[in-house]
Amino acid sequence: KQEVTQIPAALSVPEGENLVLNCSFTDSAIYNLQWFRQDPGKGLTSLLLIQSSQREQTSGRLNASLDKSSGRSTLYIAASQPGDSATYLCAVGGSNDYKLSFGAGTTVTVRA
Amino acid sequence: DARVTQTPRHKVTEMGQEVTMRCQPILGHNTVFWYRQTMMQGLELLAYFRNRAPLDDSGMPKDRFSAEMPDATLATLKIQPSEPRDSAVYFCASGPTGLSVADTQYFGPGTRLTVL
Repeated sequence: KQEVTQIPAALSVPEGENLVLNCSFTDSAIYNLQWFRQDPGKGLTSLLLIQSSQREQTSGRLNASLDKSSGRSTLYIAASQPGDSATYLCAVGGSNDYKLSFGAGTTVTVRA
Repeated sequence: DARVTQTPRHKVTEMGQEVTMRCQPILGHNTVFWYRQTMMQGLELLAYFRNRAPLDDSGMPKDRFSAEMPDATLATLKIQPSEPRDSAVYFCASGPTGLSVADTQYFGPGTRLTVL
């Protein structure tokens, strides 16, 4: 069974600082890895999707890397803003069944 | 702006009552997922469908939970009888095919269920 771990569980930074969120997974046989954002009381919104053959994806201030062999992904958010405050979840897609396994999330607070 | 809709958004019920949650996936999406989110367990997959056929419901307590797709525009999740431990936020998500490495899932706003 795929186990997904996110460290740290919570993070508080001043505005303008770069954010680094970590995700690790136990089974490297994956077909993709996704980063989602969840605002309080809301559903999840997909931020970035990295296919198993890719090493990274970028969207604006967000960059996510994938190292399948070591079972790790990192989400970088440059020049953080208060609007980036949310919970960020990492999800790994299994190669056999296409189901997503989620980490517990990292709750980010960006202080103005 | 296509989005997944869920009803009701909030539900408070007494233990032992039947609860039905509904989801309208994005038009044209072939896969539908039901998740449950709690503080203790995080986000858990309960069931998923492709082309309206159930593919996996191994995450669902079979004795009280049931999931169906009566048609392509409606997915339902029922709990009968409900118990206090079922209190959680239930999310529905839909995806284009479920067979491509480029597929993501689009989540609805969730149904917050409280069982007293």
